[in-house]
Amino acid sequence: RKEVEQDPGPFNVPEGATVAFNCTYSNSASQSFFWYRQDCRKEPKLLMSVYSSGNEDGRFTAQLNRASQYISLLIRDSKLSDSATYLCVVNPLGAGANNLFFGTGTRLTVIP
Amino acid sequence: EAQVTQNPRYLITVTGKKLTVTCSQNMNHEYMSWYRQDPGLGLRQIYYSMNVEVTDKGDVPEGYKVSRKEKRNFPLILESPSPNQTSLYFCASTSAFGGPTDTQYFGPGTRLTVL
Repeated sequence: RKEVEQDPGPFNVPEGATVAFNCTYSNSASQSFFWYRQDCRKEPKLLMSVYSSGNEDGRFTAQLNRASQYISLLIRDSKLSDSATYLCVVNPLGAGANNLFFGTGTRLTVIP
Repeated sequence: EAQVTQNPRYLITVTGKKLTVTCSQNMNHEYMSWYRQDPGLGLRQIYYSMNVEVTDKGDVPEGYKVSRKEKRNFPLILESPSPNQTSLYFCASTSAFGGPTDTQYFGPGTRLTVL
């Protein structure tokens, strides 16, 4: 079983739509969780960390469900510029970034 | 500007010809790592380094070497490249004790093709 699993998509949504991605992780002791964004053929960039209480950054909301071992990313009012691949990242060991596990990514295309 | 640089960005080579991909960061980060990204497999860690002269294997180290003689540089060495090492490679750095609020900074990537 993979450490981190994501639906690869693609998700094709119209501008202004709300879209949600889920990601499941296998290690129940995992400590840190992140969403990264990766544009085509570019490097991944941190979108947001995911905290136990859930957190919001503008149109983006991240949630963590430890009981079911999944994290989610909600994007409201989708923009064309949101088109990218979203990577779910889990650090099972907490402090210390030497053991990050990356999902394969969920591709989002926002259509005019 | 805080950044991670990699060179070359694109490389086509032949089986068995030794090559080095350089990586440099200007953020004084202690921790650096190399990943490869393949379709359907996501990013997988090749090697990491927690400080100068301290390196360790990641998940897919076979066929690769690294060195960390200076804090800012972390080159990836392929002594005898093979076609299954054709991939997109990323170098990354972060502060030593990464946690929920710390960020991995990635280089722009090196697209390697081994014929």
